[in-house]
Amino acid sequence: AAGVIQSPRHLIKEKRETATLKCYPIPRHDTVYWYQQGPGQDPQFLISFYEKMQSDKGSIPDRFSAQQFSDYHSELNMSSLELGDSALYFCASSFGLAGVAGELFFGEGSRLTVL
Amino acid sequence: ELKVEQNPLFLSMQEGKNYTIYCNYSTTSDRLYWYRQDPGKSLESLFVLLSNGAVKQEGRLMASLDTKARLSTLHITAAVHDLSATYFCAVVGKTSGSRLTFGEGTQLTVNP
Repeated sequence: AAGVIQSPRHLIKEKRETATLKCYPIPRHDTVYWYQQGPGQDPQFLISFYEKMQSDKGSIPDRFSAQQFSDYHSELNMSSLELGDSALYFCASSFGLAGVAGELFFGEGSRLTVL
Repeated sequence: ELKVEQNPLFLSMQEGKNYTIYCNYSTTSDRLYWYRQDPGKSLESLFVLLSNGAVKQEGRLMASLDTKARLSTLHITAAVHDLSATYFCAVVGKTSGSRLTFGEGTQLTVNP
């Protein structure tokens, strides 16, 4: 079965550079979530989209922006990168905000390293 | 603000033994999830618990939910080495939209 696809899987950037992460949800899923997981930390909610509109916003820095496109894929844009942005970035998708029976599926993650 | 606490945070156990991980949360919840994560890997969904008294079992793992006590448990039966991983519970609060709030995670090591 198709899963949530994230790209790139690994990314190395310098401080002050820009990075873009992409997320392709499971087919027919209309809701996308972004989470950031620092080393040894639990995942922290950044932002979510439902039907191409922002549905919720968490602890996302102002340097970050995101959107969901007409084909439901989503991109997380990160500018003026800082060392502290080094983390695993997960995308998750669901059908509707509550999912089918609450189901929510995570991608493999994109590991960003800022040097 | 919804807070989710797990305990223990670190658990070292022998193969064949039983143990329980606890997940407490601070506000009324719609849904509770249990995930497994291997180092540097994705979050693998184990259970979704949607109602008070819900109990789900898969292999050596069993999860339950008590919404009145705001408590979920993940019980491990006859642990095997392959269960070594970090286990997270995550909660969707009734007033927090659909975002997941995660516990700190329980790092489980099963020793032969």
